[in-house]
Amino acid sequence: LAKTTQPISMDSYEGQEVNITCSHNNIATNDYITWYQQFPSQGPRFIIQGYKTKVTNEVASLFIPADRKSSTLSLPRVSLSDTAVYYCLVGPQGMDSSYKLIFGSGTRLLVRP
Amino acid sequence: GAVVSQHPSWVICKSGTSVKIECRSLDFQATTMFWYRQFPKQSLMLMATSNEGSKATYEQGVEKDKFLINHASLTLSTLTVTSAHPEDSSFYICSAPGVFGNSPLHFGNGTRLTVT
Repeated sequence: LAKTTQPISMDSYEGQEVNITCSHNNIATNDYITWYQQFPSQGPRFIIQGYKTKVTNEVASLFIPADRKSSTLSLPRVSLSDTAVYYCLVGPQGMDSSYKLIFGSGTRLLVRP
Repeated sequence: GAVVSQHPSWVICKSGTSVKIECRSLDFQATTMFWYRQFPKQSLMLMATSNEGSKATYEQGVEKDKFLINHASLTLSTLTVTSAHPEDSSFYICSAPGVFGNSPLHFGNGTRLTVT
């Protein structure tokens, strides 16, 4: 099982760009990298997923270097409502439903006014 | 998009009683579902994998006789906490994998269990 390492916490201010990096040195060939956001007393919410290079959607960008041993979640112009815990997970998705995803510690992001 | 519904969202029970938590995939079928437990300020911890039509697979250290899992159909998995004790108070979350290609896991909104 690919293990992930993230910073425990990060602070930012409204309007700034936030980059959270995740290390996954033993990522497997068929593993995807997925980021989730979790607010208190709620289930994790999918943010973005990628396999290599760069992926962008309406809420974030995900940068993955060629060796795929790390990834960076980029949140443009954060707001107070982006205060949450962000989890990076690696593993096969979808059809390989027998694979169980293990959560790391996550990164607790605090956005200040 | 795919939705996983969890019920109830919160429950308070007395020590020694049992509590059932339901997890439903609303618009897709899930032969596998995952149950997690989360204590305050901690990450999600995988408890077990629920398999439709067969026994659940429990993670090391999780008592299968205490946390009964039943995957009755392709859209429903239940977790029953039997003879609950205050230390079982936690946030329980279920999830189901997507069915297309590289679809991510879909999570329920969790159930806050408080045992008094």
